[in-house]
Amino acid sequence: AQKVTQAQTEISVVEKEDVTLDCVYETRDTTYYLFWYKQPPSGELVFLIRRNSFDEQNEISGRYSWNFQKSTSSFNFTITASQVVDSAVYFCALPSGSARQLTFGSGTQLTVLP
Amino acid sequence: GAVVSQHPSRVICKSGTSVKIECRSLDFQATTMFWYRQFPKQSLMLMATSNEGSKATYEQGVEKDKFLINHASLTLSTLTVTSAHPEDSSFYICSARAGTETQYFGPGTRLLVL
Repeated sequence: AQKVTQAQTEISVVEKEDVTLDCVYETRDTTYYLFWYKQPPSGELVFLIRRNSFDEQNEISGRYSWNFQKSTSSFNFTITASQVVDSAVYFCALPSGSARQLTFGSGTQLTVLP
Repeated sequence: GAVVSQHPSRVICKSGTSVKIECRSLDFQATTMFWYRQFPKQSLMLMATSNEGSKATYEQGVEKDKFLINHASLTLSTLTVTSAHPEDSSFYICSARAGTETQYFGPGTRLLVL
């Protein structure tokens, strides 16, 4: 069965600090995608990244970077020089089932203090 | 990126009434739409998967007669909460997918049943 674990329930940092959000997954699929979504206080889920299991290169997008380690089944997300606007709940997700519905982790609440 | 709208964003109703929530993909055709429910400080729970022109597939424990889903076109899915009760109060969020693995989410609907 697919499973996504986000062990960090809440993280609090001071603005400009770097922060890493952990995601560990379990899947029986040989090829798969992994996702990160951001849910700010307003509630909508914002798509951040989709990563194919074939591609183990780290990806950087501005202050965001992702470290995919297939050997440890991890897909960690780092925010560099965090800002107050980064405060949100971040979800890691993995498609599963015939309809490829998303299995979400429990989410990590990130609070960036000014 | 792909845009998904949801209407209404917030609804308050009396116990026993029915509430309809619309989910629209604005700039793409969604072959599959998903409906999720989210309780405060929890992750998203998949309720059902709907494909255009066919019956929705409900997750275990979700009453299909309670939560009616219609996916009449490639850009519109509706969720009707029938005879709503206070325990149905929650945040309902839809997502749409155009055939790739990526799901794009609507802004969500906060339902409060008095």
